[in-house]
Amino acid sequence: TQLLEQSPQFLSIQEGENLTVYCNSSSVFSSLQWYRQEPGEGPVLLVTVVTGGEVKKLKRLTFQFGDARKDSSLHITAAQPGDTGLYLCAGDEGYSTLTFGKGTMLLVSP
Amino acid sequence: SQTIHQWPATLVQPVGSPLSLECTVEGTSNPNLYWYRQAAGRGLQLLFYSVGIGQISSEVPQNLSASRPQDRQFILSSKKLLLSDSGFYLCASTFTDQNTGELFFGEGSRLTVL
Repeated sequence: TQLLEQSPQFLSIQEGENLTVYCNSSSVFSSLQWYRQEPGEGPVLLVTVVTGGEVKKLKRLTFQFGDARKDSSLHITAAQPGDTGLYLCAGDEGYSTLTFGKGTMLLVSP
Repeated sequence: SQTIHQWPATLVQPVGSPLSLECTVEGTSNPNLYWYRQAAGRGLQLLFYSVGIGQISSEVPQNLSASRPQDRQFILSSKKLLLSDSGFYLCASTFTDQNTGELFFGEGSRLTVL
């Protein structure tokens, strides 16, 4: 089973700041997904990246897949309190299950 | 559209009591179904997954079991709960008509074992 390391584990910032969270593995994934989870709810899919070097934007969120498809980053511009949550990355090895990272807990204060 | 329903949403059970969490999926057919457990504010631990009726794969040895009696129904059970079974349980399904591995999650069931 491949492992996904997410960093930082916890991030507390002020509204309006920019931030980047990382998802790294020593192995290659066919695709990588990012989810956001709010307290007491299930994770919600944000984006899937498939091609090495791919960049996808979702409003103020920018997702990048590493050229070698081993790592990914999520950059948030001008964070807002509504961005608060647990951000999870998940790698698809092409089997029936995903490998999840342990998540980055983001707290954005007004 | 595809939806997942989990119940109960919250459960408090004594040690040694049985457990049954149910998950049903609507708006799809023949999905892969999953049960995950999540420790407070942390990542997901895969417990069971199923690629079809009656087909269950277990990822972690434990006193829990899963069953899939119907295509869109997935049940997590235990005969005797342990304190360590406390946690947030999430049911998930693959999306309809997509073979990308992306998952659609239910609202979760919070279990507290006392």
